[in-house]
Amino acid sequence: AQSVTQLDSQVPVFEEAPVELRCNYSSSVSVYLFWYVQYPNQGLQLLLKYLSGSTLVKGINGFEAEFNKSQTSFHLRKPSVHISDTAEYFCAAVETSGSRLTFGEGTQLTVNP
Amino acid sequence: SQTIHQWPATLVQPVGSPLSLECTVEGTSNPNLYWYRQAAGRGLQLLFYSVGIGQISSEVPQNLSASRPQDRQFILSSKKLLLSDSGFYLCAWSGVRGGEQFFGPGTRLTVL
Repeated sequence: AQSVTQLDSQVPVFEEAPVELRCNYSSSVSVYLFWYVQYPNQGLQLLLKYLSGSTLVKGINGFEAEFNKSQTSFHLRKPSVHISDTAEYFCAAVETSGSRLTFGEGTQLTVNP
Repeated sequence: SQTIHQWPATLVQPVGSPLSLECTVEGTSNPNLYWYRQAAGRGLQLLFYSVGIGQISSEVPQNLSASRPQDRQFILSSKKLLLSDSGFYLCAWSGVRGGEQFFGPGTRLTVL
């Protein structure tokens, strides 16, 4: 993928509110898409991935994302967040014929009580 | 199942000292291996990747080097650390066809 843009660097929300973290990608070829989560001082953990098929992808911890090819977007959503969802979230893309992930700059989600 | 290890977990080194960070993968063969750096409050920067033993591709010219002496071992080195080398270093692996990457727990390096 040529680029991945996460539109919000920080997203503060209150506990039990819904949240959407936005991600757009740019590529001249087909891509696979991923969302990762990073808790402080830890590695990245895969939340969900889109490879093919249904455009609505469900992942761990109640998160889901929708692939929109016409808008080249892959936004991450959760209907009700918890304090424990506070973390950095990274969107990433790779060309279906490639091996190197392109990451967005990350979105810091902060869930307040 | 596959696991990925990194050590040490934290490291404080003086400027000008050498560096060696190690990454090993278990439970898979012939993985693609990657080194990333994450500066404070920043995204991930790909430093090196390897598709096989002795095959290293460098993404950014810098003070660091990488080696892959064994199929599932990836080492990040420096002869003389700079202040700007401080950061969180992450190792990752993927299958030979690429796609999703699986990350290690990371090493926090502070250069003083």
